[in-house]
Formats: sequence, structure tokens, C-alpha cells
Amino acid sequence: KNQVEQSPQSLIILEGKNCTLQCNYTVSPFSNLRWYKQDTGRGPVSLTIMTFSENTKSNGRYTATLDADTKQSSLHITASQLSDSASYICVVKIPGGGADGLTFGKGTHLIIQP
Amino acid sequence: DSGVTQTPKHLITATGQRVTLRCSPRSGDLSVYWYQQSLDQGLQFLIQYYNGEERAKGNILERFSAQQFPDLHSELNLSSLELGDSALYFCASSEGVRGVDYGYTFGSGTRLTVV
Repeated sequence: KNQVEQSPQSLIILEGKNCTLQCNYTVSPFSNLRWYKQDTGRGPVSLTIMTFSENTKSNGRYTATLDADTKQSSLHITASQLSDSASYICVVKIPGGGADGLTFGKGTHLIIQP
Repeated sequence: DSGVTQTPKHLITATGQRVTLRCSPRSGDLSVYWYQQSLDQGLQFLIQYYNGEERAKGNILERFSAQQFPDLHSELNLSSLELGDSALYFCASSEGVRGVDYGYTFGSGTRLTVV
């Protein structure tokens, strides 16, 4: 069964610090991997998308990396801000699949403390 | 504001009841996707409509149904509600049928509580 496991489940860091969130997946083969940010009470918003041939993708202070050989991805947040407090969701898509071809992780709940 | 409008924002109802959730996609978007997000669970894809036609189906229960109307808004009907149906229900929309590849936009969700 295709799975996406994220760690840690939750994380608390101080404002200004960096952090790294992990995503391990068993989806194989896969087409692309996305990271979403979901603020409390809001819908997810896409941060990055990487195909199987890409190793890294940045979006401002967010940098995602992908190792397709080990089936691992990470999301690195630099110089965290209070507004980074949210859940971060990793999503993997199978090749050729439509909306039913996505597997969502449960997310990492990140809290930034002042 | 993402441009995807979901109503109501909150809904509390009793077991056994039926509710209807509504989604208006962004202007110009023809596809609508419905997702369920239970507490501490990942998003679960329910169903996708494109220009009024069902396009893809996920783990949608038989008690649930959806449709997309000519004006492109969509409704998700949940019947014979159980406590386990309590969740956030999200709608997303995209211009084309392949929103999962090219990008789609989520609404703010409807929080359903079944008591």
C-alpha cells in the first residue's frame, strides 16, 4: 500500500531558528512530490513541487530536497517567523494518476514561539 | 482569499441526519475536488468533477454523494451521518482536469461536527 510518513508529528522552535521536516514515502513509481502549508482553519497552499528528477526546490525561506533513491524528502525552513506556524503536508503522486493518484501525509504541526 | 468559497464554515448536526456542503470554484475553473480531513488524519480524496461530469472517484462512502451544477458550483451531500464523519471537508478547484499536476486551489473548508 502506498504510504507517506512524516516526522516529527509536531515541533516547537523559537522564532529565528531553522528547522527541517521529514517525509518518507513508499509510493513507487512516483511522478512528483509536493509540500503544502496549511494554516489553522484554512486550506492547504502549495509551497514546492518536485519531479523525480529534481533534487532541490526553493520558495523563499522554504527549501525542499528529494532523494528518489532512498524515497525521502525534507523541507527546510530558514530563519523561522511566527507566520510559519502551521501544518506542513507532504504529498506524493503516481505517474499518470489523476486526483485519485495522490497520497497525503498526515503532516507535521510546527509552532514558532517568540 | 483563495477565490474558492465554501459554505457553511461550521456545521453541527446530529447522527442520522443529512447535510449539504457547498463549494463555488474560482472564476474560470472547471474542476472541483472534494477532500475529507479527519482529526490527525491526512487529506482523503473523495471525488472530482470537471464541467459537470464526474472525473475521478476516491474513497467516498455510499452515504456520500456530490454533483456539479451548470454554473459550476458543487455540492457534497452527506447522509445518515455518523460520529466518525466529523471532519473538515475541503473543496479545491482548477482550470483544467489535471489540477493535481498543474496546481489547484483549496477553499477554507467546512468543519462538520456530528453529535
